Amino acid sequence: EIVLTQSPGTLSLSPGERATLSCRASQSVTSSYLAWYQQKPGQAPRLLIYSASSRATGIPDRFSGSGSGTDFTLTISRLEPEDFAVYYCQQYGSSPFFGGGTKVEIK
Amino acid sequence: EVQLLESGGGLVQPGGSLRLSCAASGFTFSSYAMSWVRQAPGKGLEWVSVIRGSGSSTYYADFVKGRFTISRDNSKNTLYLQMNSLRAEDTAVYYCAKGPPYNILTGFLYYFDYWGQGILVTVSS
Repeated sequence: EIVLTQSPGTLSLSPGERATLSCRASQSVTSSYLAWYQQKPGQAPRLLIYSASSRATGIPDRFSGSGSGTDFTLTISRLEPEDFAVYYCQQYGSSPFFGGGTKVEIK
Repeated sequence: EVQLLESGGGLVQPGGSLRLSCAASGFTFSSYAMSWVRQAPGKGLEWVSVIRGSGSSTYYADFVKGRFTISRDNSKNTLYLQMNSLRAEDTAVYYCAKGPPYNILTGFLYYFDYWGQGILVTVSS
């Protein structure tokens, strides 16, 4: 089982700032099969990124993903008010597994 | 428009059973792998199970193996999760989630491009 560790647990930023979220895998993730999701309170998760760097349909270009092997990053270039949420990474190179999440909160 | 609507949740005693359903619309249901993902109150996401489009292959997380059964009825565009021997730690919101299109080069990939709104299962005496 590939375990994912996300950091930091909480990120306190202001609108307009850049957010950098990390996801580290316990083993190399096959073919960069790594996805990112956004979840707001009381809502289902929403797919943002798949294959480490491909944006899902309708996702603004301020969201970008990068990385390979064991280290992956989600970057939000300029935080909009609607971006404050919890973000999860998920690997699907083997049995699907989610990271513990990073909460992006308003500073 | 893709829509996924879960039903069948509720309160059940430890050791009891429950069957969740997920009614799908807006896409060719039989062509896509479907999964169940759960989220305990205040916690993160946990993948539970996946079934391929034809229903021929199923996979489970270790913590539900032997207790939960995933199935689908492609004639009814409906996904199911039969949950037996329920435990307090199974208390969670259960989401059904759709997989991406099958790719002849990569095969089935198990990330989730659409999600239902979730249904709460509470296991308590």
